[in-house]
Amino acid sequence: GESVGLHLPTLSVQEGDNSIINCAYSNSASDYFIWYKQESGKGPQFIIDIRSNMDKRQGQRVTVLLNKTVKHLSLQIAATQPGDSAVYFCAEKGDSSYKLIFGSGTRLLVRP
Amino acid sequence: EAEVAQSPRYKITEKSQAVAFWCDPISGHATLYWYRQILGQGPELLVQFQDESVVDDSQLPKDRFSAERLKGVDSTLKIQPAELGDSAMYLCASSPTPGTSGREYQETQYFGPGTRLLVL
Repeated sequence: GESVGLHLPTLSVQEGDNSIINCAYSNSASDYFIWYKQESGKGPQFIIDIRSNMDKRQGQRVTVLLNKTVKHLSLQIAATQPGDSAVYFCAEKGDSSYKLIFGSGTRLLVRP
Repeated sequence: EAEVAQSPRYKITEKSQAVAFWCDPISGHATLYWYRQILGQGPELLVQFQDESVVDDSQLPKDRFSAERLKGVDSTLKIQPAELGDSAMYLCASSPTPGTSGREYQETQYFGPGTRLLVL
């Protein structure tokens, strides 16, 4: 319900440290996964994506890890910066359509 | 860098009034999505278009919501009449035509800034 959604899990990290945000997905048949960053009052911003035939993919300062055995996805942010403070959503796509199913989000707070 | 455009950014209306939101996807993107996002939750798909055709509107409350993409480019989402529970962020996203993106993955959805609706 809405009261649950307002209490987002929060990860607080020190500036310069690495951050790991976790996500459990629901559909073992999902073949595509994506991470978005959403700042207050803005639309979700694409960070990185991965297909199910891979278990790791790297971008600039970010890495996505996929463990299909336990249906777990993680986002690693290296050298976390204050500008990384936001809510992070994972999303999965089933194999038959382009519909994305979003997780509940994690709030990342970066302490200066 | 190409972006999804949405307007208005904010809309305040009274219940029972009609509201409309507009979206212009990234140029060349054939697939367009409308999502609703309640504060603190992830976006939920309302309707998906492939060109001018509706692909999925299973979560669209059709008694009061309508969406169109007449020429397969920009799109309008309408609510009539608006209810208090419709207060939310309405997001538009687009993704490339399969085979044309130039990226490794064609499923990537790019979101616009959203329209924040408040129904009083």
